[in-house]
Order: sequence, then structure tokens, then C-alpha cells
Amino acid sequence: KQEVTQIPAALSVPEGENLVLNCSFTDSAIYNLQWFRQDPGKGLTSLLLIQSSQREQTSGRLNASLDKSSGRSTLYIAASQPGDSATYLCAVARLTGGGNKLTFGTGTQLKVEL
Amino acid sequence: GAGVSQSPSNKVTEKGKDVELRCDPISGHTALYWYRQSLGQGLEFLIYFQGNSAPDKSGLPSDRFSAERTGGSVSTLTIQRTQQEDSAVYLCASYPQRGNTEAFFGQGTRLTVV
Repeated sequence: KQEVTQIPAALSVPEGENLVLNCSFTDSAIYNLQWFRQDPGKGLTSLLLIQSSQREQTSGRLNASLDKSSGRSTLYIAASQPGDSATYLCAVARLTGGGNKLTFGTGTQLKVEL
Repeated sequence: GAGVSQSPSNKVTEKGKDVELRCDPISGHTALYWYRQSLGQGLEFLIYFQGNSAPDKSGLPSDRFSAERTGGSVSTLTIQRTQQEDSAVYLCASYPQRGNTEAFFGQGTRLTVV
């Protein structure tokens, strides 16, 4: 059974700092890995999707890497802003029967302070 | 609208009552997933629909839970004889096609069983 772990569970940083969120998974037979953002009381917003054959993806100030063999992914946020404050979730998909069922980590709660 | 729409956004029900939660996926999206987000449990897969194929119900926690998808579009998740442990946020996600694509999530329905 796939297990996804995120470290740290919570993080507080001053505005402008670069930071790294970590995600690890136990089964390397993944189809893709996604990073999501969740604001309080809201749904999930997809940030980056990394296919199993890729090593990294970039979008603006966000960069996500994937090391499938070691079961790890990192989300790098450059020049953090208060608006980045949210819970960040990683999720891995194992393609079974044509589906993209996601197994989620428990998230990292990020607070960026002025 | 352009996104995944869920209704109601909040639902308070008495223990033992039945509830129906609705999801309108993005038009043209062929795959639809239901997840549950409970305190201390993270996000768990419930059920998945892909086109006209039989749904994958492997994540449903008990036979009190059922879901259907009519006309390949709107989906309804029904919980019969609700229990307090059913209290959670129920999230719906849709995908544009089979394969390696990102998930689009709705805002969720917060269910409280009293």
C-alpha cells in the first residue's frame, strides 16, 4: 500500500525567504506526482504535475523535483510572499485500470509572515 | 462556470438521516473522482467514474455510501443513515481525459453530522 509522507508538518518563514517542502512515498511505481495548494475552507488547486518520466517542473516561483528511485519529491518556493500561506499537499497516482487514483500526504501548513 | 462545482457547500444533518452531495464536473471531462478529507485522516479516495465504464468503488468505507453519475456528467454521492464519523469535507475532482493529466478539484461539501 502506497504511503505518502510530508515534512515538515508546519513551517513559518519571513517574507522573501526561499523554502523547500518535502514529500516521500513508499512505492516508486507511480504514474505521476502532483503538488496542490489548499486554502482554509477551500478545495485543492493544482500547482504542478510531474510525470514519472520527468525530473522536474517549473511554474513561476515554484519548482518541483522528482526522484522516483528514492521515492522523493521536493517543492521549492522562491522569494516567498504572504499570499503563499496555505497548506501544500503532494499526491501520487498509480495508474490502475485506467484510473488516476491519488494517494495524498497529510500536507505542510505554510505561513509566510510580513 | 469553468470549474468543478459542488453543492451544497455546507450541510448539517442529524445522525441517521440520508444526505446527497452533488458534483458538476468541468464540461467534457470524462473522469470524475470523489475524495473525503477528515481531520486526522487526510484525503482518502472514495469512488471513481470513467466514461461509461463500471465505477471503481474500492474506496467506499461502507455499504451506506453509494454514488452515481448520470449521463456521464453530474455525480451524486449518497450517504445513508449518517453517523458522526461521516463528518468530513467531501471533494470532487474531474479529469479531461484518460492518462497523465492534472486533477481539477471542486470547493468541497463540508458535512457535519450531529
